[in-house]
Amino acid sequence: AQSVAQPEDQVNVAEGNPLTVKCTYSVSGNPYLFWYVQYPNRGLQFLLKYITGDNLVKGSYGFEAEFNKSQTSFHLKKPSALVSDSALYFCAVRTYSGAGSYQLTFGKGTKLSVIP
Amino acid sequence: DGGITQSPKYLFRKEGQNVTLSCEQNLNHDAMYWYRQDPGQGLRLIYYSQIVNDFQKGDIAEGYSVSREKKESFPLTVTSAQKNPTAFYLCASRGTGDNQPQHFGDGTRLSIL
Repeated sequence: AQSVAQPEDQVNVAEGNPLTVKCTYSVSGNPYLFWYVQYPNRGLQFLLKYITGDNLVKGSYGFEAEFNKSQTSFHLKKPSALVSDSALYFCAVRTYSGAGSYQLTFGKGTKLSVIP
Repeated sequence: DGGITQSPKYLFRKEGQNVTLSCEQNLNHDAMYWYRQDPGQGLRLIYYSQIVNDFQKGDIAEGYSVSREKKESFPLTVTSAQKNPTAFYLCASRGTGDNQPQHFGDGTRLSIL
């Protein structure tokens, strides 16, 4: 089955420290991977994507993600966390749904709390 | 500004009642999606539409119906057959190309009276 997993329901980090939110994937072929962020009672906002090319992808708000094919991972990172980064983070992978169409399959989300 | 507008923001349903959630986009996107979000379960796909006058069931379509008569509009009806409709509903759209990200509205929270 094509899927993504976010092994941590919650991540706590002190303001100013580096943060990592983990994601692993299981798909056949080359994966298209995405990270989104969700603030309370809002929709998801796109942060970054990996399609092909450089394994280190840079995105919005200072976030970046590292694609690791051997470990089937796509962890989200930021060098210095801000309190305003506190939110729910979703990893997603493009999956084939038949008849030539593709969808996004989302992980269950990781709640990030940045402590002042 | 281009974007996706969902309305209403909050909606209450009585037993045996159908309710319709609105989703409008002015991004000129062909593909549109409806997701249901429950705490701790991530997003689950209800229905999607790749083009006007065509739509497909997602993973949890039972108890829901959609229409796609116009490119910019993709309304979702939660029917009385959906026995557990309380959730946060998100609409999304995507531009041409599978490598494009989906853009999301700000959701509708549906509750049972």
